[in-house]
Amino acid sequence: AQSVTQPDIHITVSEGASLELRCNYSYGATPYLFWYVQSPGQGLQLLLKYFSGDTLVQGIKGFEAEFKRSQSSFNLRKPSVHWSDAAEYFCAVGITGTASKLTFGTGTRLQVTL
Amino acid sequence: GAVVSQHPSRVICKSGTSVKIECRSLDFQATTMFWYRQFPKKSLMLMATSNEGSKATYEQGVEKDKFLINHASLTLSTLTVTSAHPEDSSFYICSATTGGDRGYTFGSGTRLTVV
Repeated sequence: AQSVTQPDIHITVSEGASLELRCNYSYGATPYLFWYVQSPGQGLQLLLKYFSGDTLVQGIKGFEAEFKRSQSSFNLRKPSVHWSDAAEYFCAVGITGTASKLTFGTGTRLQVTL
Repeated sequence: GAVVSQHPSRVICKSGTSVKIECRSLDFQATTMFWYRQFPKKSLMLMATSNEGSKATYEQGVEKDKFLINHASLTLSTLTVTSAHPEDSSFYICSATTGGDRGYTFGSGTRLTVV
């Protein structure tokens, strides 16, 4: 079964600083990979996804992520964080070729200081 | 883009009553819908997977008789929390997909409080 690890429970960055949120997955083949963001009391919004092809994926709100097969990682990055980026971020993995369930990491809470 | 509507967004009910939560795909036909439960400051826990016209597949430890899931059409799935108790209070989120490579769209969630 697939699994996802987000090593950082809580990260604090200053507004304007760069950001990298870590995500490691365990899966026997190339998975579907996702990053979602959740504001308090809200559902999940898709930031970006990787299915195949170019390993550097661009998403919304200036986010990008890079799939590194050798490291089983799919880290999320943003060059300059805005105060409105403060939220909970979830990495998720799905099984390729199916409409199967997503497995989520435990999430990383991002706090942005002004 | 794909939109999933979830209602109600917030509900308070008395202990022992039942509550129904609806999840609708507005602009696409969802072959598969998922129901998640999220505890405060925690990740999403998958409760069940439902396919249109068939019985839902529940995750281990989820009570089928307490959390009734119906997926009567390609655009609607419902979760009914039967005989709700305070420990059922949580944030419930649905998700829909037409296939993994087409992505998964999430509803905005339902905050259930059982008093």
